[in-house]
Amino acid sequence: TQLLEQSPQFLSIQEGENLTVYCNSSSVFSSLQWYRQEPGEGPVLLVTVVTGGEVKKLKRLTFQFGDARKDSSLHITAAQPGDTGLYLCAGAENPLQGGSEKLVFGKGTKLTVNP
Amino acid sequence: KAGVTQTPRYLIKTRGQQVTLSCSPISGHRSVSWYQQTPGQGLQFLFEYFSETQRNKGNFPGRFSGRQFSNSRSEMNVSTLELGDSALYLCASSLRAGEQYFGPGTRLTVT
Repeated sequence: TQLLEQSPQFLSIQEGENLTVYCNSSSVFSSLQWYRQEPGEGPVLLVTVVTGGEVKKLKRLTFQFGDARKDSSLHITAAQPGDTGLYLCAGAENPLQGGSEKLVFGKGTKLTVNP
Repeated sequence: KAGVTQTPRYLIKTRGQQVTLSCSPISGHRSVSWYQQTPGQGLQFLFEYFSETQRNKGNFPGRFSGRQFSNSRSEMNVSTLELGDSALYLCASSLRAGEQYFGPGTRLTVT
């Protein structure tokens, strides 16, 4: 079973600060997805990265997929209280015949942005 | 387009009972996956259904089962409930690889 390690586990920062969350594995994934989850709700898909070395930007969020497709990072610039939530990375194991895709999730980074 | 819906949102059951949870995917999505989320283990994959067939399965005991109907709606069943089955059960639907859309979950508490 492939494992994903996320760090840090908890992060509490002031509004306006920058931060980076890391997602690491010893295994190769066909793609990696980042989600944000708020209490009592399901995870919301933020981005999917597929190609090694790929960088995607979503407003103040920058996502990077490692060259070897084993790790990823999420960087938030000028964090705002609305960014508060649980950030989860999920690696997709190579699709089985028929296209079935199983996601392996990291334990998440709980981010709190204080006003 | 409506998102993934799950019913019920909250459920309290007693040890030994069984429970059935329901999931309606986004219209047009034929793949439905189920996950269990607990504070200790995080999100863990249960199984995935596509066109009424189970395509993939996680490492959970046989007490956990599921099915999918011709309209892509899915149900999961847990029999002989244990205290450790208390969790948030999440359903996700997908149209293509790399994109899974989650419902709000069903919070199951076993007493």
